[in-house]
Formats: sequence, structure tokens, C-alpha cells
Amino acid sequence: EIVLTQSPATLSLSPGERATLSCRASQSVSSYLAWYQQKPGQAPRLLIYHASNRATGIPARFSGSGSGTDFTLTISSLEPEDFAVYYCQQRSNWPLTFGGGTQVEIK
Amino acid sequence: EVQLLQSGGGLIQPGGSLRLSCAASGFTFSSYAMSWVRQAPGKGLEWVSTVSAYGDLTYYADSVKGRFTISRDNSNDTLFLQMNSLRAEDTAVYHCAKMVSVAALDHWGQGTLVTVSS
Repeated sequence: EIVLTQSPATLSLSPGERATLSCRASQSVSSYLAWYQQKPGQAPRLLIYHASNRATGIPARFSGSGSGTDFTLTISSLEPEDFAVYYCQQRSNWPLTFGGGTQVEIK
Repeated sequence: EVQLLQSGGGLIQPGGSLRLSCAASGFTFSSYAMSWVRQAPGKGLEWVSTVSAYGDLTYYADSVKGRFTISRDNSNDTLFLQMNSLRAEDTAVYHCAKMVSVAALDHWGQGTLVTVSS
């Protein structure tokens, strides 16, 4: 099973600041890495798939990069609605696995 | 507009069975793999199972293998999860989700709470 480790667990930032979230895989997942945003009481929302492709309707301030074992989700300038929990997910191999999540909170 | 409308769920005793349904609309259901993902209270996301577009291939997390069965009815655009021998640790909100490129989950159902307790 491929283990995804997200860091940091919590990121405290102010609106307008840049957020950089990390996801590290225990073995290469090529580019089969996705990112999701989840707000309390809501279903997750796909942000990025195949490491760097924005999903439909996702603002340009969200970007993904990386390949192999190291991936980054960047939010260029935080909007109030961006404070949420973010998960990475791989499907290079079965089982599909998620990272433990990074909470982006208001400083 | 893609919609995934879930039903089923509720309170069930340990050892019991429950069937979740997910009615799809707004896309060609038979062209996409579908998955179930769960989230225990206050915890992260856990993948449960995936079924291929035609229903001929299924995949399960070790934690549910042999107890849960995923299936689909492409003539009625509906996804199912049959859950048997339920345990307290199966308590979670269960989401159905549409897969894109069998790699990411691009649309999610609203979730349904399954509580396993005596």
C-alpha cells in the first residue's frame, strides 16, 4: 500500500497570503496524484488531478506540481473561502489511498 | 449537471447488514468507474471500493474485503454498496463518487451516515 504523508498538519495563514501544502508518497505514483478541498459538513471537492491539472471550475489561484514521490499544492493568495482541509490522493496502485490532510486555518 | 443522490444508511446493530444506493444523473453513467469513500467522525477520508464502468472489475480496501460488495446497475444508472457483518469501526459518512480516468474522484454524493451500534 502506498502511504501518502501530508505536511504540515495545520497551516495558519492570513487572507492574501500564499499557502504551500506538501504530499509525499512512500513510493512513486508517477503523476497519479489528486488534491481535494473539504469544508465542514460538505463532500470533498476535486481541485487538481494528474498532479497539475485544475478540475473544472477551480480558480487559477490553485496550482499543483510534482511527480514521483513529492507533490505540492499552492494557493497563490488565500481567499476567505479557502480555509478548509486539503487531502491528497493517489491511484497509481490499488488500494487507492488518501493522505491524512492539512488544515488551512485563519491566523 | 452531474448529480449523485444517495439513499440508505442509518443505525444498525453490530453484525447487521445495510445497502447503500447512489442514483446518478447528468452524465453517461455506464462510461465511468464509480467508488465509495467513507469518513469516520472527525477523521480523514478512507477509500472503500471501486467498480469499473462495465461492472466487471471490483476493488476493495482490506478493511472491508469479504464483507462489502460493490455493484452497479447501468440500465438504471445506480451504484450500490452491500455491507454485511457490520462493525462499530464501519461507522462513518459514506460518499459515492464518480471517477475520472480511474484516478481521481471528480463528483461526489452528499454522503449518508452509517452508525453501527447496539
